[in-house]
Amino acid sequence: DAMVIQNPRYQVTQFGKPVTLSCSQTLNHNVMYWYQQKSSQAPKLLFHYYDKDFNNEADTPDNFQSRRPNTSFCFLDIRSPGLGDAAMYLCATSRDRAGYEKLFFGSGTQLSVL
Amino acid sequence: DAKTTQPNSMESNEEEPVHLPCNHSTISGTDYIHWYRQLPSQGPEYVIHGLTSNVNNRMASLAIAEDRKSSTLILHRATLRDAAVYYCILPPSPGAQKLVFGQGTRLTINP
Repeated sequence: DAMVIQNPRYQVTQFGKPVTLSCSQTLNHNVMYWYQQKSSQAPKLLFHYYDKDFNNEADTPDNFQSRRPNTSFCFLDIRSPGLGDAAMYLCATSRDRAGYEKLFFGSGTQLSVL
Repeated sequence: DAKTTQPNSMESNEEEPVHLPCNHSTISGTDYIHWYRQLPSQGPEYVIHGLTSNVNNRMASLAIAEDRKSSTLILHRATLRDAAVYYCILPPSPGAQKLVFGQGTRLTINP
C-alpha cells in the first residue's frame, strides 16, 4: 500500500499560471519534505516542515511556497512557473528529523511548463 | 559541509556481488551515513543507514571504515532490478536534520 502519495503523477501548466502539487501520507510522520529533481540531476531540497514549523532552504526561490494544513497533507505552490521549473517534484516524509531517521518518498509529480 | 564522493558510474554482472564506494572524509562523529537508490521514473528508495558498525538488511550490507571516512554499500547478488542510481548521503553539516543528495553512482547490471 502506498504510504506517501503524490497527485497528480503528471501535471502540465502554462508559463506564469499558478500550480499546486499535493502530497499525502498515511505514516503519521512529523516531517514532510519537498525536493525538486531536474533531468539527470540529483534531488534538490526545497524546504521541509517539522510538524507546523516551516524550514526553507536558503537558495529556494520565493516563487515556491508550501502549506501543511494538517499532519497528513502538504502542498507545493508554484506562484508563477517558468520554463526552468519543469522538473520532477518529490515529496518525502520521516518520523523525525532526517539526520537519524530514514526518508519515505512518493513517486513524484512530473511538471511540464508550456 | 559534509560532502560525499562517489564514482559517476559502475557496471557489474547479474548474480555477482557489487561494492559501491563512498568517501566522506569530513563526516562528523554523530552523523549517520545513508544510502538511497532511485530506479528510473521513480522516487528514491531507502536502502540502508548506519553510524559506526557494519549494518545488514534484506536489501544490502553497509561496511563502514573504522575512521568513518569512507563506506561501501554491498549488494550481495545483483539482479537486473538493482540497476539504479545509488546515493550516499550525509547531513550537510554536523547535526543538520535534513538530507541533501549528491550526484550518486549510476549502476548498470549486465545480464
